[in-house]
Amino acid sequence: EVQLQQSGPELVKPGASMKISCKASGYSFTGYTMNWVKQSHGKNLEWIGLINPYNGGTSYNQKFKGKATLTVDKSSSTAYMELLSLTSEDSAVYYCARYRHEAMDYWGQGTSVTVSS
Amino acid sequence: QIVLTQSPAIMSASLGERVTMTCTASSSVSSSYLHWYQQKPGSSPKLWIYSTSNLASGVPARFSGSGSGTSYSLTISSMEAEDAATYYCHQYHRSPPTFGGGTKLEIK
Repeated sequence: EVQLQQSGPELVKPGASMKISCKASGYSFTGYTMNWVKQSHGKNLEWIGLINPYNGGTSYNQKFKGKATLTVDKSSSTAYMELLSLTSEDSAVYYCARYRHEAMDYWGQGTSVTVSS
Repeated sequence: QIVLTQSPAIMSASLGERVTMTCTASSSVSSSYLHWYQQKPGSSPKLWIYSTSNLASGVPARFSGSGSGTSYSLTISSMEAEDAATYYCHQYHRSPPTFGGGTKLEIK
């Protein structure tokens, strides 16, 4: 069974950075690219970027360049997204999602990030 | 970027009623790259229909999808209580991938 298990909710101060993890199981981790998606206000979905776990290659939405950094650890089948210089605009739920059938076929459970002093 | 506009934003349907929602793209999208997701409160989005008309695993046959170019739709032949959710269209044809604003489907 394909599973994407994300790290828990985060409360962070403005200006701080933080990293979300997404541990994959039930499939070949290096065989599928991993996408990251932001959902704000419980509705709006935005694509942040993707990473190819096989070679570490990345592609980012221009809007999130400098805000998000995507990495992977193949040894643990885990993808990471680091969010930098956080502001209140970054408060949202963040998802990792596997890419297959030209779509995102499996999603993590989401990680809630709240930026507040 | 390709903007996806969904309508209506909110709709309600009676049990057994036929339901149709639409997704309009600001420029043409290959049907292979137009998808629909279902999301219920507190849960992550689930791939529901991929490549315009293919039902994802476990999706009931009362759901169908159609369309081409800039106009796509999702139809439920007979509304059931479990279908109440928000549905998002999504294109992965041109970068950046984008999502519509969602159609919230409620039970009347």
